[in-house]
Amino acid sequence: GQNIDQPTEMTATEGAIVQINCTYQTSGFNGLFWYQQHAGEAPTFLSYNVLDGLEEKGRFSSFLSRSKGYSYLLLKELQMKDSASYLCAPVRENAGNMLTFGGGTRLMVKP
Amino acid sequence: GAGVSQTPSNKVTEKGKYVELRCDPISGHTALYWYRQSLGQGPEFLIYFQGTGAADDSGLPNDRFFAVRPEGSVSTLKIQRTERGDSAVYLCASSPGTGVGETQYFGPGTRLLVL
Repeated sequence: GQNIDQPTEMTATEGAIVQINCTYQTSGFNGLFWYQQHAGEAPTFLSYNVLDGLEEKGRFSSFLSRSKGYSYLLLKELQMKDSASYLCAPVRENAGNMLTFGGGTRLMVKP
Repeated sequence: GAGVSQTPSNKVTEKGKYVELRCDPISGHTALYWYRQSLGQGPEFLIYFQGTGAADDSGLPNDRFFAVRPEGSVSTLKIQRTERGDSAVYLCASSPGTGVGETQYFGPGTRLLVL
């Protein structure tokens, strides 16, 4: 099975930096996805990490430590449109890439 | 190109009725996934198809739920004898295959309300 833990809610200020953490316990780990989901909309892909380290993609970066069962999503230069839920989803090997999502972190960006 | 589409976008039904939810994946995607999302929660896996066959249906909550993908493209999720607890957003996703790290692309979902 999988245990996924991420904060329920976070608040940050426009222009600031925010880090959203995710810890997981999974058998046969095969990488971790981050998705963004605006209220009432479909989740959209942000990043996939399978190796340890930081991957940067514009204002968003994602970090993974396999040995610690830990990942974070880093959002820089926050914009109001970044207000959304951020979903962490580790993948089990031999599971057809089926995603098991955490409960999501609802980020509110304030002016 | 066209993304994943789902119909209907909203469905209201009465307890005990039968419903069908449809998913049109991205053309050429061989893998198709169904998830269910309750308010304030992350999506919960139900079933996935590789081609026409259900490769893993371990997430289906009980035998009232069934899904098909007869031609390896469009999929239908069928719920018999609906219960109020079935109310949720049903999300469909597709990916080119099931290789490591293949991105799943989600549809807008069907919001099901069982009265």
